[in-house]
Amino acid sequence: DGGITQSPKYLFRKEGQNVTLSCEQNLNHDAMYWYRQDPGQGLRLIYYSQIVNDFQKGDIAEGYSVSREKKESFPLTVTSAQKNPTAFYLCASGVRTRIGTLEGYTFGSGTRLTVV
Amino acid sequence: GDSVTQMEGPVTLSEEAFLTINCTYTATGYPSLFWYVQYPGEGLQLLLKATKADDKGSNKGFEATYRKETTSFHLEKGSVQVSDSAVYFCALREGAQKLVFGQGTRLTINP
Repeated sequence: DGGITQSPKYLFRKEGQNVTLSCEQNLNHDAMYWYRQDPGQGLRLIYYSQIVNDFQKGDIAEGYSVSREKKESFPLTVTSAQKNPTAFYLCASGVRTRIGTLEGYTFGSGTRLTVV
Repeated sequence: GDSVTQMEGPVTLSEEAFLTINCTYTATGYPSLFWYVQYPGEGLQLLLKATKADDKGSNKGFEATYRKETTSFHLEKGSVQVSDSAVYFCALREGAQKLVFGQGTRLTINP
């Protein structure tokens, strides 16, 4: 079955460490997205990528980095510069119409990151 | 930029009650509108969508109508079940490439 796989499901990080969250999709979608979810704040866009080797900052990119070396993979690194990294992180890929406009997202099941 | 505003939660109802979750938006033009649902510990799933004014999206007994006059896309269900307990997100498509989400509304249904 096609879908998006995020790993790990739970991640603990010590202050000052970088961590990388994995996101893999086998849906053949060009576009991929990273969102952060905090209680009462909905989803906030961190980074997104429309095509391999290209990505754009979202609304809250500071303290995060991404790469898009393969169509299937869009890993997110939470760096030590991110002041409040404890959150639920969601990866999504974009479903497009025949003419290329975004029809909606397919989401992964998320990674809960906790700084200890 | 574009934005979505949902009614604040949490919302608590008894089984078989009528549900309305309000959603209004601010956008340039007439963007596609969506409702997503998130069950505990999971990602979001598409519940329904509408792509143009007066369209009605429906799925699993839920409905929402795209109202351009009131810039609204309220979610309704005639008779809720305990299994409908979840967080519901309203969203719009901003431009051609990404979605903008509301803050989510937590719904709890008591038996």
